[in-house]
Amino acid sequence: AQSVTQLDSQVPVFEEAPVELRCNYSSSVSVYLFWYVQYPNQGLQLLLKYLSGSTLVKGINGFEAEFNKSQTSFHLRKPSVHISDTAEYFCAVRTGANNLFFGTGTRLTVIP
Amino acid sequence: NAGVTQTPKFQVLKTGQSMTLQCAQDMNHEYMSWYRQDPGMGLRLIHYSVGAGITDQGEVPNGYNVSRSTTEDFPLRLLSAAPSQTSVYFCASTPGREETQYFGPGTRLLVL
Repeated sequence: AQSVTQLDSQVPVFEEAPVELRCNYSSSVSVYLFWYVQYPNQGLQLLLKYLSGSTLVKGINGFEAEFNKSQTSFHLRKPSVHISDTAEYFCAVRTGANNLFFGTGTRLTVIP
Repeated sequence: NAGVTQTPKFQVLKTGQSMTLQCAQDMNHEYMSWYRQDPGMGLRLIHYSVGAGITDQGEVPNGYNVSRSTTEDFPLRLLSAAPSQTSVYFCASTPGREETQYFGPGTRLLVL
C-alpha cells in the first residue's frame, strides 16, 4: 500500500527566507512523485514531478525537490520565498493505475 | 482548450437529495478521476476511469456513482446526500500513465 506523510501541517516563514516542506512516502514498488500547489479558492496546479533520472527536480516559481530513495523522501525547497508563495502544498505519489495518493498538505504562510 | 471544467461551482443540498456533479475535459485524455478534499485529510480518490466505458473505485467510493459514456465527460452522482459528503470535489484528467494530472477548479458542496 502507498502512503504519503507531510510532517508539517503549517509552515510560517519570513519573506526572502529559505523554506523546506517535507514529504515522506512509503511504497513497495517504483513510484512517481509530485508536488502540487493550491492557492486560496483554486484548484491544484503542478509544481514539479519526479518520474526517473536526475534526483534533483526543478519546477515552476523557483521551487525544486530532491528524490531520496534511501530515505523515501521528496522534500520541496525554495531558497527565497515571496508573499505570492503563500498557499497550500501537497505531495503526492502515483503507482499502478495512474491514481494519485496525496499527503494531508502543508500550509505555507509567508510573513512580510 | 478550456482544460478541465466543473459545474456547478457551489451547491447546497438537503440530506437525502440527489445531484450530479459535472466534469468535462476537451484534451482527449483517457484517464479521469474524482477526488474529495477535506480539511486535514488532503485529497482522497473517489472513483476513476481509464477510458470510455471503464470505471473503478478509489479510496472512498461509498455514496457515489460514476459513469463514462464518452471520453470527454465523467459525471459524479450522489444518490442520497449526507452531511458527511460536505466537501470540495475535484475532477482531474491525464493523457497517460506517466503524465501530469490536470485538475478542474472544484465544486464546493454543502449538505445540510
